[in-house]
Amino acid sequence: NAGVTQTPKFRVLKTGQSMTLLCAQDMNHEYMYWYRQDPGMGLRLIHYSVGEGTTAKGEVPDGYNVSRLKKQNFLLGLESAAPSQTSVYFCASSYDRRNTGELFFGEGSRLTVL
Amino acid sequence: AQSVSQHNHHVILSEAASLELGCNYSYGGTVNLFWYVQYPGQHLQLLLKYFSGDPLVKGIKGFEAEFIKSKFSFNLRKPSVQWSDTAEYFCAVKKAGTALIFGKGTTLSVSS
Repeated sequence: NAGVTQTPKFRVLKTGQSMTLLCAQDMNHEYMYWYRQDPGMGLRLIHYSVGEGTTAKGEVPDGYNVSRLKKQNFLLGLESAAPSQTSVYFCASSYDRRNTGELFFGEGSRLTVL
Repeated sequence: AQSVSQHNHHVILSEAASLELGCNYSYGGTVNLFWYVQYPGQHLQLLLKYFSGDPLVKGIKGFEAEFIKSKFSFNLRKPSVQWSDTAEYFCAVKKAGTALIFGKGTTLSVSS
């Protein structure tokens, strides 16, 4: 049971390049989330999904897009990367249909935009 | 705007000292409360949670937290810290119909 798996773990981009982070969970969770973690800022929610085919904006959605075509996968896209998007990105999922807030996290993806 | 505030950015303690990390939130109504921990180089893990019932909840590794509704607080405590408790601690709050919101985190450094 792998839990929540993020790929890639590390990536360096140039300004303007695009990329996609993949999150996969094997726990049959309904809810999935993308957070970014920056020093002194904690974790901030980018986008989330409450089920296959649905997505919603979080606190800091600008510059990112997401898709949830399959229940087990949640993709985070950067169409035109900017240095401000240098961060550690965490994917999380939740199994509770009442969405109590108990999340299972991936190991993070460190993105550097030059 | 709804927010979660952690009062201490960085706490430095010696082993065996007692720990209390503050957390306040600005939500009204019923909330679910969490403390997550992130050990160096690792992902976040759930430390403890409060949904309802006894406001004093116990988590893993000897941690506990007390929910005080009148103060909108959910402070984390441990009577005697260990070097292995060195980590970043995040308070998080969830209200029905909204996503989980995290505080900015408190870095705990424990010297042996």
